Amino acid sequence: AQSVTQLGSHVSVSEGALVLLRCNYSSSVPPYLFWYVQYPNQGLQLLLKYTTGATLVKGINGFEAEFKKSETSFHLTKPSAHMSDAAEYFCAVTRYSSASKIIFGSGTRLSIRP
Amino acid sequence: DSGVTQTPKHLITATGQRVTLRCSPRSGDLSVYWYQQSLDQGLQFLIQYYNGEERAKGNILERFSAQQFPDLHSELNLSSLELGDSALYFCASSGQGFNEQFFGPGTRLTVL
Repeated sequence: AQSVTQLGSHVSVSEGALVLLRCNYSSSVPPYLFWYVQYPNQGLQLLLKYTTGATLVKGINGFEAEFKKSETSFHLTKPSAHMSDAAEYFCAVTRYSSASKIIFGSGTRLSIRP
Repeated sequence: DSGVTQTPKHLITATGQRVTLRCSPRSGDLSVYWYQQSLDQGLQFLIQYYNGEERAKGNILERFSAQQFPDLHSELNLSSLELGDSALYFCASSGQGFNEQFFGPGTRLTVL
């Protein structure tokens, strides 16, 4: 069985500060990991994904995440927060199969202080 | 624009009624997923169809059903609606491979 835990339902940072959103996963098979972002009144949009290969993954809008198997983590970071980054962020896990569903975390709401 | 379309965008109805939500996946995607997002339950996976067949089931109520048609569009039917069914319903689609899902804009259902 697979599961995802996002630490912190709400994170607030100042504009220009480092953004760190935490995600830990549980999977009995090699996982595929995703970060999605949801802006207000919109659907989810893929930020980045890890499947195989390089463990540091770069995504859109300056975000990146590092897959750490030993820590079962896939934390999302951005060096300098922008006001437009305010949104809900979801970490998700799945495995390679056309029959697999994606398991989403409970989400972290990111607020940016001016 | 993800390429996934959902209609209608908003739906307001009364308790006890039945509604149908429609989703058209991205061109070429065979899998369609339905999710419910509410304030108290978060993002909940409901059901997945792959090329017309049900593939995975999540927290879908017996009052809810779905199907995927030969042209790959999908419909989610919600019946005997209750106030607690008020939520955003998302459809997503994916192709074969890495299961990256592309989400539609959602249908906001309000049950009065």
